[in-house]
Amino acid sequence: DIVMTQSPDSLAVSLGERATINCKSSQSVLYSSNNKNYLAWYQQKPGQPPKLLIYWASTRESGVPDRFSGSGSGTDFTLTISSLQAEDVAVYYCHQYYNAPFTFGPGTKVDI
Amino acid sequence: QVQLVESGGGVVQPGRSLRLSCAASGFTFSSYGMHWVRQAPGKGLEWVAVMSYDGNEKYYGDSVKGRFTISRDNSKNTLYLQMNSLRAEDTAVYHCAKGRSGSSYDAQDYWGQGTLVTVSS
Repeated sequence: DIVMTQSPDSLAVSLGERATINCKSSQSVLYSSNNKNYLAWYQQKPGQPPKLLIYWASTRESGVPDRFSGSGSGTDFTLTISSLQAEDVAVYYCHQYYNAPFTFGPGTKVDI
Repeated sequence: QVQLVESGGGVVQPGRSLRLSCAASGFTFSSYGMHWVRQAPGKGLEWVAVMSYDGNEKYYGDSVKGRFTISRDNSKNTLYLQMNSLRAEDTAVYHCAKGRSGSSYDAQDYWGQGTLVTVSS
């Protein structure tokens, strides 16, 4: 099974500052035949289901603010919030859908 | 708009069975892969199972393989999760989630609010 790790476990960022979350997979999630990384990022606020932010490692979901961006390839990925807003306080998860069983990272809590 | 409404949760004794349902609307259900993802109280997300749009592909998480069965009825726009031999560690909110495409190998773009399953004697 592919194990997903995230760092840090939590971080506190001032309003308007940049937040960076790292995600690492135990094996590559890059599918060579289509050159796509099977990696997504989700945001979960208390009492709500997760919300898809990024898929294919760097494609922003429709309606997601452009301050959210995803990067990386192979085994190392990053979610960046370029200018943190109050409504971005949440737990963020990375998720691989390259190989079943699909797996999530443990989550990173972002606070102000 | 896309709606996913789970039902069937509740309190069940260890070793017993439960069947969850997810009623889908607002999209062509028969064209999309569908997932179950669970979250134990205060914990992170755990992927449970997926079924492709036509039911030909099904995959399970290691912790539920052999005990849980995912199925779908495209004529009723409904996804199911049959859970047998339940254990205390299966206690969680169970979310159904729509895949972005018909394939099993895609992210999930819409999620239901979930239904709580509590396994306790």
